[in-house]
Amino acid sequence: DGGITQSPKYLFRKEGQNVTLSCEQNLNHDAMYWYRQDPGQGLRLIYYSQIVNDFQKGDIAEGYSVSREKKESFPLTVTSAQKNPTAFYLCASSIGWRTDTQYFGPGTRLTVL
Amino acid sequence: AQSVSQHNHHVILSEAASLELGCNYSYGGTVNLFWYVQYPGQHLQLLLKYFSGDPLVKGIKGFEAEFIKSKFSFNLRKPSVQWSDTAEYFCAVTRPGGYNKLIFGAGTRLAVHP
Repeated sequence: DGGITQSPKYLFRKEGQNVTLSCEQNLNHDAMYWYRQDPGQGLRLIYYSQIVNDFQKGDIAEGYSVSREKKESFPLTVTSAQKNPTAFYLCASSIGWRTDTQYFGPGTRLTVL
Repeated sequence: AQSVSQHNHHVILSEAASLELGCNYSYGGTVNLFWYVQYPGQHLQLLLKYFSGDPLVKGIKGFEAEFIKSKFSFNLRKPSVQWSDTAEYFCAVTRPGGYNKLIFGAGTRLAVHP
């Protein structure tokens, strides 16, 4: 099956710990994205990557980091510098980085205790 | 600031009622428009999209949306809802020519009662 996988589905961490969320796609898409979803606020863009070994900050990048070493993988690290990390994190991908439709993974719900 | 507004945060309907969810955006110029749906416990899925051409767009599951450029609107409609349409609906916009950044509205939670 082609698609986007995110793991784990639920993640619990103690305050002050870094945590890495996985995102993998087998759609052969060039572009990948990370969004954060909070109740009543829709989705907001954290980081995006247009191509391997390249990534750019989105609207709310502070406290997050990413890497794009492989076309199919775009992991997101939530660092201890992120002041309010508890949220639902969604990964997406698109064929290209200009105007193509984005397809979303199932999400990871992160809770920081 | 660039924004997308969804007027109704919560909508409750009975089965067979008609649905219209409002969406307005604040950009001038050319835009690409999307409606995504998130069913309980499922992925965010594309419902329909508008890039150009006929401003009345038909999507999956009997949904349609009309792009009215003069009103900066892209309202979602369905003539007769079903219990299975219970979900959260998101309107989103991208601006062609730049990077593919989706700007989302806050979402509308729809509950359909049998």
